[in-house]
Amino acid sequence: EAQVTQNPRYLITVTGKKLTVTCSQNMNHEYMSWYRQDPGLGLRQIYYSMNVEVTDKGDVPEGYKVSRKEKRNFPLILESPSPNQTSLYFCASSAGTGEARSGAFFGQGTRLTVV
Amino acid sequence: QKEVEQNSGPLSVPEGAIASLNCTYSDRGSQSFFWYRQYSGKSPELIMSIYSNGDKEDGRFTAQLNKASQYVSLLIRDSQPSDSATYLCAVIPLAGGGNKLTFGTGTQLKVEL
Repeated sequence: EAQVTQNPRYLITVTGKKLTVTCSQNMNHEYMSWYRQDPGLGLRQIYYSMNVEVTDKGDVPEGYKVSRKEKRNFPLILESPSPNQTSLYFCASSAGTGEARSGAFFGQGTRLTVV
Repeated sequence: QKEVEQNSGPLSVPEGAIASLNCTYSDRGSQSFFWYRQYSGKSPELIMSIYSNGDKEDGRFTAQLNKASQYVSLLIRDSQPSDSATYLCAVIPLAGGGNKLTFGTGTQLKVEL
């Protein structure tokens, strides 16, 4: 079954404690991205990757890091989380080098609370 | 002006009626347009894509695109309670490389028995 898998699904953490949200896709997609979704603001892209070792900032990259060492994996790292990073996070993947051809296929989401 | 605008709703329609969801966008060079359905607490699911002016039909769903007026709409015929969800309009603007999605904030649809 084609899927994007994120872990964990729910996470409560304290300010400043480094955390990683993992993302893996089994569709051999080149393009992967991370979004956050907040009420009234919609989905906003944090970072994206067009292929292995190629990453770039999206619209709201501050406070986040990513890496793409393998095609299937695209972890999101919060080195020093703050309460304003409390949000619902989605990993997504797309065929080709962007989202224009076929949109994005989303993971199940990670609800992060930073206290 | 937001890049992609949608009425937040809720839009309430009776079961069996046609639901009409609208979206306007600001980047006139936008080329690709998508509709996603998102149930509460779940991830967005792609239901329609449209790339050229006119109508595109898929089952009970019809997407309509008018590039001159910069709007895209989604019609849901014979609405069912299971269609109750938030519908996200997403556009690929030319600005920024023409390669990544920009989302509206969504319209909440409620289909009432």
